[in-house]
Amino acid sequence: QVTLKESGPALVKPTQTLTLTCTFSGFSLSTTGMRVNWVRQPPGKALEWLARIDWDDDKLYRSSLRTRLTLSKDTSKNQVVLTMTNVDPADTATYYCARFLEGFDFWGQGALVTVSS
Amino acid sequence: DIQLTQSPSTLSASVGDRVTITCRASQSISSWLAWYQQKPGKAPKLLIYKASSLESGVPSRFSGSGSGTEFTLTISSLQPDDFATYYCQQYHSDWTFGQGTKVEIK
Repeated sequence: QVTLKESGPALVKPTQTLTLTCTFSGFSLSTTGMRVNWVRQPPGKALEWLARIDWDDDKLYRSSLRTRLTLSKDTSKNQVVLTMTNVDPADTATYYCARFLEGFDFWGQGALVTVSS
Repeated sequence: DIQLTQSPSTLSASVGDRVTITCRASQSISSWLAWYQQKPGKAPKLLIYKASSLESGVPSRFSGSGSGTEFTLTISSLQPDDFATYYCQQYHSDWTFGQGTKVEIK
């Protein structure tokens, strides 16, 4: 049974660094073709793909956020960590991690992060 | 970045209607397109991948077609559970989502 769950702070101040952890089970990120992604959704708005990390540690970031995002993985712990620097109120959103094989086939429940002073 | 434009943004329909949603890409993405359904407060659900392949467990009333820059999602007979927002997503390069199409009750 595949599951993913996001964890991290619910409230972050502007200019701070946001760290989100995706803990998953039921699959291995060492398996060829496996990818874990981060997607966010501001309240009432559309989905926005942020970043992905692959089984071979290849990484891809949304071009407009490339300088602010960093991904890492701990295969032994089945975790992927997303770091976003210099957050702004515009980064307020529900953040999802999702597995990708042929489409995002499994998603976490999402974590609402509010950026406010 | 590749832009995806969905139309319409909102669609009013009745149970039993045939519904079609279009997704246009700003450049060719071959068949690297997926469709998702999202209900309020829930994570999206994968419906279609590789433009026309039905995800396991998804009802056969959902179908996808297209390649290159123009794609469609069709619901052959709208059911009460289908009222939701639908997104297309390309995974050709610099992955992106469309802006969404809300299917509401007429």
